[in-house]
Amino acid sequence: DTAVSQTPKYLVTQMGNDKSIKCEQNLGHDTMYWYKQDSKKFLKIMFSYNNKELIINETVPNRFSPKSPDKAHLNLHINSLELGDSAVYFCASSQDIGLPQYFGPGTRLTVL
Amino acid sequence: SQQGEEDPQALSIQEGENATMNCSYKTSINNLQWYRQNSGRGLVHLILIRSNEREKHSGRLRVTLDTSKKSSSLLITASRAADTASYFCATDEGGAQKLVFGQGTRLTINP
Repeated sequence: DTAVSQTPKYLVTQMGNDKSIKCEQNLGHDTMYWYKQDSKKFLKIMFSYNNKELIINETVPNRFSPKSPDKAHLNLHINSLELGDSAVYFCASSQDIGLPQYFGPGTRLTVL
Repeated sequence: SQQGEEDPQALSIQEGENATMNCSYKTSINNLQWYRQNSGRGLVHLILIRSNEREKHSGRLRVTLDTSKKSSSLLITASRAADTASYFCATDEGGAQKLVFGQGTRLTINP
């Protein structure tokens, strides 16, 4: 009974390709997030959705586009992948903003 | 912007000893949270302390918060090998609608 799941776990791709990462939570939470963790373990928020509405967009390049088809899903599509996009991407959810967040297992993206 | 900064960046102790990690932040907060991340895994929420609280306990964890110094500490008592992980503090940066994480303390418990 995974609370927050992400697919795929690993993603290796060439520069310039387009890829998507999917996230689903079965906790009934209203808020979902995407984070990027770099090689130094620094975790930075990218997007936040509350009840399918975008509430945070942290100056992320517009090559990154989140999509929330319903409250339980928040997918991340990345166009024209660059070397600097290589990182671990985490999805998370919480009952509301400011409350404890539940993280997925992460997707390690490697751009060659 | 990076809000929380953990100290030390790395800590290595013997099993059974206590581990203390510190976190400093810059702006006012509504609450501060601590998370644990095992290698190759997602973050796991440990404890939340509100700005009007000074101390909170959960099992072997003890968190303190000093809003006048803008700092918090996480104490893990009687450490175990399974406590080996990175520990992050996160704040809501003046009530903003997001958490800002520090770079974490990497804790190693030696058997």
